[in-house]
Amino acid sequence: NAGVTQTPKFRVLKTGQSMTLLCAQDMNHEYMYWYRQDPGMGLRLIHYSVGEGTTAKGEVPDGYNVSRLKKQNFLLGLESAAPSQTSVYFCASSYTTGRSSYNEQFFGPGTRLTVL
Amino acid sequence: KQEVTQIPAALSVPEGENLVLNCSFTDSAIYNLQWFRQDPGKGLTSLLLIQSSQREQTSGRLNASLDKSSGRSTLYIAASQPGDSATYLCAVRQMEYGNKLVFGAGTILRVKS
Repeated sequence: NAGVTQTPKFRVLKTGQSMTLLCAQDMNHEYMYWYRQDPGMGLRLIHYSVGEGTTAKGEVPDGYNVSRLKKQNFLLGLESAAPSQTSVYFCASSYTTGRSSYNEQFFGPGTRLTVL
Repeated sequence: KQEVTQIPAALSVPEGENLVLNCSFTDSAIYNLQWFRQDPGKGLTSLLLIQSSQREQTSGRLNASLDKSSGRSTLYIAASQPGDSATYLCAVRQMEYGNKLVFGAGTILRVKS
C-alpha cells in the first residue's frame, strides 16, 4: 500500500495564478482532510470530506476550494493564489468517525507551495 | 475553542539522556491524542495514539501518557539518540469539523552526540 500520496511535492506560483493539489489514498478511508502548516502555528484544517461527493469547510477555508469526486481522491484548488497562501500543505485520511479504535489519521508527505 | 500548547518549544540534550515533552489542551472533550514526529522538510509520522479512555501507550523507547481531566499529555523518550532529533507534534482529535485534529506548534528536539 502506498498510503497517502500528494502531488506535486513542490510548486512556485505567481500571485493570481491557479493550481490544484492532488491527494490520493489507497486505504479505503471515508474521511479526508487538507491542512496547512505555517511556522510556529502547527497545522490548521482548511477543508475536509466525510465521504465521496461531500466536502465541508474547516477553520481556514478562504481562498481554497475542494472536490471529492472519487473516494480515494481529494483535490485542493487555489483559484487566485496570494502570498499569504505560501505554506506547506498536508493531506490526511482516516476511517469513519465515532469512538472506534480505527480513527487514526494518516498523513501524506506534504506539498511545499511558494506564492511570489 | 480547543487550544493545544507544547512546552518547551525547543530542547537540546546530550545523547543518552531521558527526556519529557509536554502537551496541554484546554478542552477535555477529545476522542484521542496523537503524538507525531516530523523531520525537516518531511511529512508527519505517527508515533503513538492514546484513546480518551486510556492512560498511556508505549512503543519501544517511547511512552506517552494522557490525563484527560487535567488536559495534559507527556511523551517520554528513554536513552535519547541523535536519530531522535526532529520536531514532535501533539494533536487532539475533536468531534467538530469531521473529527479534525487540533495541533500544537511542536517541540524541536536536538540530541547531541
